[in-house]
Amino acid sequence: EAGVTQFPSHSVIEKGQTVTLRCDPISGHDNLYWYRRVMGKEIKFLLHFVKESKQDESGMPNNRFLAERTGGTYSTLKVQPAELEDSGVYFCASSQTGFPDTQYFGPGTRLTVL
Amino acid sequence: DQQVKQNSPSLSVQEGRISILNCDYTNSMFDYFLWYKKYPAEGPTFLISISSIKDKNEDGRFTVFLNKSAKHLSLHIVPSQPGDSAVYFCAARIRGNTPLVFGKGTRLSVIA
Repeated sequence: EAGVTQFPSHSVIEKGQTVTLRCDPISGHDNLYWYRRVMGKEIKFLLHFVKESKQDESGMPNNRFLAERTGGTYSTLKVQPAELEDSGVYFCASSQTGFPDTQYFGPGTRLTVL
Repeated sequence: DQQVKQNSPSLSVQEGRISILNCDYTNSMFDYFLWYKKYPAEGPTFLISISSIKDKNEDGRFTVFLNKSAKHLSLHIVPSQPGDSAVYFCAARIRGNTPLVFGKGTRLSVIA
């Protein structure tokens, strides 16, 4: 069974540009989460989808971040316009509904904003 | 305001000995705790978990202990192997299918 995949693995952009990150969850996992790790700090929650609906977006830092999950399959996270402080590693995780609800993580996208 | 704390940024252990990684939490609403292992340039990999109704869970060389009264959990790895060298994250959640709250991680180095 394929794990969580993320694309691209790395992205280097200039301040003010737009970047779109993609996450493909494990097939059949209704729950999809986005997290971010900045500068070696703790991994922090951004938002949670259940199928195509946003269940919790309390971790989204501001309205420059837009997440979608069309059809309840893959998800995209767009940053527009990117700022220097957006640099970090963006992880996606997915889990099934019910117990155990272990979250399985993708390899992450390392975003560098210059 | 960190709800999950891993106060040791790094730990070095000799191969074959026991590694003990510690984690403290402040939120008494957490009911499920997980340990993830992370290699460079990879995502966190689930290692072992424990429900708040238990005080111990064991899986091969890995054992997690939970002390609810002290709001403390620990991960024991025995015997430690060089391949265990990685960053270990402690995480917790309030109820099913909710976001995880992570600690900052502890870098374990197992020396041959």
